[in-house]
Amino acid sequence: QKEVEQDPGPLSVPEGAIVSLNCTYSNSAFQYFMWYRQYSRKGPELLMYTYSSGNKEDGRFTAQVDKSSKYISLFIRDSQPSDSATYLCAMKSPGAQKLVFGQGTRLTINP
Amino acid sequence: NAGVMQNPRHLVRRRGQEARLRCSPMKGHSHVYWYRQLPEEGLKFMVYLQKENIIDESGMPKERFSAEFPKEGPSILRIQQVVRGDSAAYFCASISDASTEAFFGQGTRLTVV
Repeated sequence: QKEVEQDPGPLSVPEGAIVSLNCTYSNSAFQYFMWYRQYSRKGPELLMYTYSSGNKEDGRFTAQVDKSSKYISLFIRDSQPSDSATYLCAMKSPGAQKLVFGQGTRLTINP
Repeated sequence: NAGVMQNPRHLVRRRGQEARLRCSPMKGHSHVYWYRQLPEEGLKFMVYLQKENIIDESGMPKERFSAEFPKEGPSILRIQQVVRGDSAAYFCASISDASTEAFFGQGTRLTVV
């Protein structure tokens, strides 16, 4: 079993829709949770960073962490064609060094 | 631009040659990660370095791969005697002492022919 599971998609939605992206994990020691956006042939760009449980909002993006279920989500409101990219979740436990990534979900927003 | 700088962006090597990938972290960052990404796959951890120290190399192949982060200059990922299976995008990320937020460079795309 992988430490972090993420549905690779592809996911295709119409412009303006609310998008929900999710990851599950098995390591209960994870405390730091991140979402990255990666455009084709570019480096990952840090979108959201959350420590422990709870919600965090930044513009059209909301990150949620449910540690009891070992489940994290990224919501994109009012989705736009420029949001089309691969979204990667990443996690880290205190004292450990490496970030563990999900496989990434390829998202397409159709005009 | 004070972001993470990687060079070269594209590198072509023949089988058996050596590949050297360079990464300059963000200003003030003293820790560097190297990750490998195959097409349609996520990022696979390779190594985590602090200046002059390898902290975690659990993701590095046992042979042909090495990494360093000297006191002065960029971090270097070195691949000796490259094979076709080494073709991938290699990304570097840096973090500061006081944070766990990792910022990535644009990557080096290695093609072995």
